[in-house]
Amino acid sequence: DTAVSQTPKYLVTQMGNDKSIKCEQNLGHDTMYWYKQDSKKFLKIMFSYNNKELIINETVPNRFSPKSPDKAHLNLHINSLELGDSAVYFCASSQGPGLAGSYEQYFGPGTRLTVT
Amino acid sequence: RKEVEQDPGPFNVPEGATVAFNCTYSNSASQSFFWYRQDCRKEPKLLMSVYSSGNEDGRFTAQLNRASQYISLLIRDSKLSDSATYLCVVNPNMYSGGGADGLTFGKGTHLIIQP
Repeated sequence: DTAVSQTPKYLVTQMGNDKSIKCEQNLGHDTMYWYKQDSKKFLKIMFSYNNKELIINETVPNRFSPKSPDKAHLNLHINSLELGDSAVYFCASSQGPGLAGSYEQYFGPGTRLTVT
Repeated sequence: RKEVEQDPGPFNVPEGATVAFNCTYSNSASQSFFWYRQDCRKEPKLLMSVYSSGNEDGRFTAQLNRASQYISLLIRDSKLSDSATYLCVVNPNMYSGGGADGLTFGKGTHLIIQP
C-alpha cells in the first residue's frame, strides 16, 4: 500500500494554464507538506498544514494555493503557470511530534511538472 | 551563510570502503536532525535520525555536534546499492513546535560506489 501518493506523476502544460496536483496519505498523520525541488535538486518547503490548518506559508507566489479538504489530503493548485514553475513537487506527511520528538516525514513519489 | 551546507561531491568510493560526510547548520535553535537518502528521480527517504548521543544502524553511524553545529554520517563496508544522494536535514522548530515544521534540506552529497 502506498503511504503517500500523488497524482499526476508527470504533468506537462503550457504557460498561463491552471493545474492541480493531488496528494493523499493513508498513514493517519496530522501534518502534510508541499516541497519544491528545482533543477539544481534543491528541496525547499512551500507549505505545511496541521489538521487542515495552514501552519507554514513560505515565500511562494500567491499563484500557488494549497487546499486541505481533510487531514488525509493536501492538494496544490497553481494558477497562471510560468516557465520557472517547472520542478518536481513533493508532498510529505508526518505525525508530529514523531518518535522521540523527531518529526520524521514521509514523502510521496513526486510530480514532475514541466511548463512549456 | 546557508542554513544547511554540505559538500555536493561527487564522492567516488570503491566498494567496501568507509566513507564519511559532514554537514553544518546555521540555526543553533534547531531541534531535530536527520539524514535522508534520495535516489535518482525518486523521493527522499529517511535514512536515520541523528541523536545527540550518536546512533548507529547497521553499517551507518550518525553523530551530532551541537557546539560546532555539524552532523556527520559514516558508512562502513560500502555497497553498490549505497550509491545515492545523501541529504542532511534539519528541523528548525521555528513555527508551531508541534511537529508541523517543514524540514530544511541541504543540497545533498552525491555518493558513487564503484565496483
